[in-house]
Amino acid sequence: GAVVSQHPSRVICKSGTSVKIECRSLDFQATTMFWYRQFPKQSLMLMATSNEGSKATYEQGVEKDKFLINHASLTLSTLTVTSAHPEDSSFYICSAYTDSQLTDTQYFGPGTRLTVL
Amino acid sequence: EDQVTQSPEALRLQEGESSSLNCSYTVSGLRGLFWYRQDPGKGPEFLFTLYSAGEEKEKERLKATLTKKESFLHITAPKPEDSATYLCAVQASGGGSNYKLTFGKGTLLTVNP
Repeated sequence: GAVVSQHPSRVICKSGTSVKIECRSLDFQATTMFWYRQFPKQSLMLMATSNEGSKATYEQGVEKDKFLINHASLTLSTLTVTSAHPEDSSFYICSAYTDSQLTDTQYFGPGTRLTVL
Repeated sequence: EDQVTQSPEALRLQEGESSSLNCSYTVSGLRGLFWYRQDPGKGPEFLFTLYSAGEEKEKERLKATLTKKESFLHITAPKPEDSATYLCAVQASGGGSNYKLTFGKGTLLTVNP
């Protein structure tokens, strides 16, 4: 149980294009979903928190117009990197949170490697 | 501001050589402390959640413990497949935290056969 998927797992795009990453909780409903980015040999940095049906809350320094988050349902959240540039190249990871009695934690997806040329 | 410090940054063990990883934290009220394992190029895999000082949890060769200031991840008789980065994270209690996690930088564990 508690499986989170991400799609695509890897994407290469040209500078200036937009890229959408999907995050799905497959066997549970997520109260909240989170988006992180991770640079090589560094820890996870939280980008934003999203709740179904409401606007995402972005961490300080994260451009909300550049990283668009849509949380359409209790099992799906999307991150769109708009007008991507090489400095946006990173490993993006989502997590899904549930506060049910059995599982009160964040479960992470496998990550998406974005390379912007 | 919540802070998590993990030590050592890297640890190299021989197969069967037990050791411990440390996670020191400061948080304005602890709701939970989490341990994750991360393999290269993959998302973190959940291991344990600890909620209160004195609590312990075990899974195979791993045992996590918690005090009011730190947590330890004990690895007993490790195997090469235990090689990974181990991440510690805290979740603060109280309104406004929105259940977000603050992560440490991780400990890279290498177990040699």
